[in-house]
Amino acid sequence: SAVISQKPSRDICQRGTSLTIQCQVDSQVTMMFWYRQQPGQSLTLIATANQGSEATYESGFVIDKFPISRPNLTFSTLTVSNMSPEDSSIYLCSVPAAGPKAGGYTFGSGTRLTVV
Amino acid sequence: GDSVTQMEGPVTLSEEAFLTINCTYTATGYPSLFWYVQYPGEGLQLLLKATKADDKGSNKGFEATYRKETTSFHLEKGSVQVSDSAVYFCALSSSGGSNYKLTFGKGTLLTVNP
Repeated sequence: SAVISQKPSRDICQRGTSLTIQCQVDSQVTMMFWYRQQPGQSLTLIATANQGSEATYESGFVIDKFPISRPNLTFSTLTVSNMSPEDSSIYLCSVPAAGPKAGGYTFGSGTRLTVV
Repeated sequence: GDSVTQMEGPVTLSEEAFLTINCTYTATGYPSLFWYVQYPGEGLQLLLKATKADDKGSNKGFEATYRKETTSFHLEKGSVQVSDSAVYFCALSSSGGSNYKLTFGKGTLLTVNP
């Protein structure tokens, strides 16, 4: 199955600044997904990123706050803009799995963001 | 819309005890069902899956059966180990069209004591 390299693994940021998270996949994938996991909570889908088109955002998430780039079939970035302490979460990217895990999804190791 | 209701924890067991974590779902069509595990300090890993009714997913001694009649996908293990301590998430992916996103339950923290 696909292997995802996500970075940074963690960061502490000042409020009002922005952070860009990168995900690199070792194979070409059509769809990539970005999730947020707030402290003690489950994962919530932020947006779906398809190469060559604008990302599709879920209810409650907007492009101005979470701009996404998808320049090719192996790479995507998520930016958390104008951060506030409420943005402190783990952010994960995900792609559909292939091989034995087909039908499942592979996740990056996550970016633990703390906003102070 | 799709939803997953998962037994909330935390769950604390002694080593070699029997584990059940309940999961029920609401979805249109015929979803695929998953259990993911998140070990302390690590990312999310697929534990097992089932893609159609009556399928049984299994891995590392864990099992779950896709029960369409009760819309359930309960996770079981006959004898837990300390190394099974983690957060377990039940999830579904609706079939059809291009909607492959995962909908997660809230997660269940399992602690296994020696």
